[in-house]
Parts: sequence; structure tokens; C-alpha cells
Amino acid sequence: EAGVAQSPRYKIIEKRQSVAFWCNPISGHATLYWYQQILGQGPKLLIQFQNNGVVDDSQLPKDRFSAERLKGVDSTLKIQPAKLEDSAVYLCASSLVQGRGTEAFFGQGTRLTVV
Amino acid sequence: DAKTTQPNSMESNEEEPVHLPCNHSTISGTDYIHWYRQLPSQGPEYVIHGLTSNVNNRMASLAIAEDRKSSTLILHRATLRDAAVYYCILRGVSGSGGYQKVTFGIGTKLQVIP
Repeated sequence: EAGVAQSPRYKIIEKRQSVAFWCNPISGHATLYWYQQILGQGPKLLIQFQNNGVVDDSQLPKDRFSAERLKGVDSTLKIQPAKLEDSAVYLCASSLVQGRGTEAFFGQGTRLTVV
Repeated sequence: DAKTTQPNSMESNEEEPVHLPCNHSTISGTDYIHWYRQLPSQGPEYVIHGLTSNVNNRMASLAIAEDRKSSTLILHRATLRDAAVYYCILRGVSGSGGYQKVTFGIGTKLQVIP
């Protein structure tokens, strides 16, 4: 079974530039998550999709971050404009359904450095 | 979301059992207890989950207290590959309508000594 694919693996940009991350979840997984992980901290949920609808974006800084999941499959997360504090690893995860006993599968993440 | 409390770090000798504790005194009756681990430069990886009864799989065992206010992840024989950050997570139903978050704390950094 193929895992969650993310690209790029690494990205370095200057502050005030824009950046986009791509995620391809495991085939058939209805739920998709984007997390931000700052060095030394646990992952923080940014947004959660159920199919192509948003079910939680309460911690997404909507003035600069946006995300979409077209056709309920692939997803993109965009930052525009980037700030220094956005330097982090951005993790995508997916799960088959929303069940409480369902495990989430994570990609390897995209490491963003804003200089 | 109900919170979990874990020690920041633990050490274990290689090939010895490891017991990683987690306190979750505000757990609700419908919350599942999940454990994930994160190896260096990797995304988190599912380890095990349970509701009330103890659980075993090929990676680990999960012992859940009778009152469900605490749980322990047991690695039966630690190897160097088990060095990672281990997260204890409660997965429950959101008050606003049915979806379940996967919310991480800081986790326990496990060091395995050769």
C-alpha cells in the first residue's frame, strides 16, 4: 500500500514570498489533515478535511494560510506571504474514515525554512 | 480536547522492556487512547490504540487502567530503532458535530542506550 506522498521535501524561501505544499493521501482515505510542527514541539493541527469539505480550520492563520482539497483527493496548503515564524515541518496525514478507532497515516513532511 | 500528560524524556537499555506512562484524568467515556511515535526526520507513525481493554500488536502492548485515567505503552524489548518521541493522544468526538481530531502534545523522547 502506497503511503501519504508530500512534495517538496525541503523548501527555502525569503520572508514575504509565497509557497505551496502538495499532499496525495492514501487512496480511498476520506479524511485529510495538515499539521505544522515547529522544532521541539508536537504537531499542531492546521486544517482537517472530510472528503473535500473543511471540518476544522480553527488553528489556521487565515490571513496568510489557505488550503484546498479538490475532488476529495489531493490537497495543497499555501502560505502567502511567509513570515520567519512559519519555519517548520508541514505534515500531511490521512485516515480511512473519521472513526475514533481509526489510525492516521502521515507523510514525511515538507521542511520549510523562511529567511 | 481532553489533555494528556507524559514525561518529557525517558531512557532505556537496549533489549530491556520499556514502560511509557500517560495520564489522561479528564478522559471521556467515548475517547480512544492512541499512541504514535516519531522517529528523527520522519512523520509520526501509528503504534497502537485502545478503548478499555489492554491491547497487543506486533509493535507494542497498551495497558489501560481500570478507571481509564492513565495508560502505559509497553515495548517488550527496546532496540536502537525504537529511539523516538512517543505521543499519547486521546481521540474523541468534537462537541460541534461529530468529527475527531488527532491532537498531539509534546510527547516523551525515548533514548535507548546500547
